[in-house]
Amino acid sequence: EVQLLGSGGGLAQPGGSLRVSCAASGFTFSNYGMNWIRQTPEKGLEWISAITGTGGETYYADSVKGRFIISRDNVKSTLDLQMNSLRVEDTATYFCVKRKLAGFCSRTSCRDVFETWGQGTRVTVSS
Amino acid sequence: DIVLTQSPGTVSLSPGDRATLSCRASQGLSGNFVAWYHQRPGQAPRLLIHYVSRRATGIPDRFSGSGSGRDFTLTISGLEPDDFGVYFCQQYGDSTTFGQGTKVEIK
Repeated sequence: EVQLLGSGGGLAQPGGSLRVSCAASGFTFSNYGMNWIRQTPEKGLEWISAITGTGGETYYADSVKGRFIISRDNVKSTLDLQMNSLRVEDTATYFCVKRKLAGFCSRTSCRDVFETWGQGTRVTVSS
Repeated sequence: DIVLTQSPGTVSLSPGDRATLSCRASQGLSGNFVAWYHQRPGQAPRLLIHYVSRRATGIPDRFSGSGSGRDFTLTISGLEPDDFGVYFCQQYGDSTTFGQGTKVEIK
């Protein structure tokens, strides 16, 4: 069974940093592009970052570019999102998401069909 | 970015009813790059439909998708108790964006 187990997150002050992580199991992790998507009641679902299966290419939404860093460890089958210079508007539930199709993905195709989602990790940015 | 507008915002239906959920794009989508997801309270979204009308693995055939251009529809024939919750559409032809959701509640 494909599983994505999120961890990390919590409370941070504006300008601070947090890290969310995701442990994958049940599939060949290195074969799949992976994504982070966040959700708030106000803005709904927002794609924020993707990484290719090899980790060689990373992509970001404008809202987080230059502040967030996505990375993966294909030996440990883990996905991370390092969040720096946090803002109040980064408050959200963050989902680790597996792409449906295996193989190479590009800037556009890495963020196409989101087949499996982690349970979500809560991040709160507040003073 | 392409904006997706879903309607209605909320619909109240009974088990066994047919649900018709709409998703309109702010501009025509080239290619059939539309997906639908279902989210129950406190859970992550679940993929139902991709490429406008292709059911994801394990999704029963009471779920069907259709549409083209700017207008897309998710139809649920014969609502079951587990089907209640929020449904989101997504376009992935031009970057990726989601609709704001339609809540299907029990009447």
